[in-house]
Amino acid sequence: GQSLEQPSEVTAVEGAIVQINCTYQTSGFYGLSWYQQHDGGAPTFLSYNALDGLEETGRFSSFLSRSDSYGYLLLQELQMKDSASYFCAVSSGANNLFFGTGTRLTVIP
Amino acid sequence: DTAVSQTPKYLVTQMGNDKSIKCEQNLGHDTMYWYKQDSKKFLKIMFSYNNKELIINETVPNRFSPKSPDKAHLNLHINSLELGDSAVYFCASGSIGGSAETQYFGPGTRLLVL
Repeated sequence: GQSLEQPSEVTAVEGAIVQINCTYQTSGFYGLSWYQQHDGGAPTFLSYNALDGLEETGRFSSFLSRSDSYGYLLLQELQMKDSASYFCAVSSGANNLFFGTGTRLTVIP
Repeated sequence: DTAVSQTPKYLVTQMGNDKSIKCEQNLGHDTMYWYKQDSKKFLKIMFSYNNKELIINETVPNRFSPKSPDKAHLNLHINSLELGDSAVYFCASGSIGGSAETQYFGPGTRLLVL
């Protein structure tokens, strides 16, 4: 089976940097994805890591260490609109995405 | 242009009824999914259809049946609705191979069973 752990809540100040960690246990592993979901909205894709290392997309970066079964999402220059839930998701087979329970990020002025 | 659309957006119904949710994608993807998100925001995959063939069926009650008339549509039919079925149901689409981990979600259908 699969399990993912991520913090349930994180609060950070506007303009700051925040890191959301994700550890996983899975019987098969293709890669780690991150999705953002605003209240009342749909999940939207942010990033995907299949190999170890850091992937950067604008203010957002995602990191993966396969040997540690660990990844994180890094959000820089936080903006109020970044307040949302962030989900890590493991791909363990063809088109099988298993989501974590989500981290609710609150950005404060 | 809407990439993944679902109807209806809201659905309020009585226990025991049968209802359907429709989903359409215009992205040309070959795989579509249904997810259930409960009140605690846990997103769980229910079904996956690839070229009209079911390739994933997680432990979902057989009251739920996906129907795919073509690869651009994946509808969800629910029989004998129960209180515990109240949740948000998301349709998504993606492609096998390539960046299969990138899925595009519809806006969701908020189902409330009374």
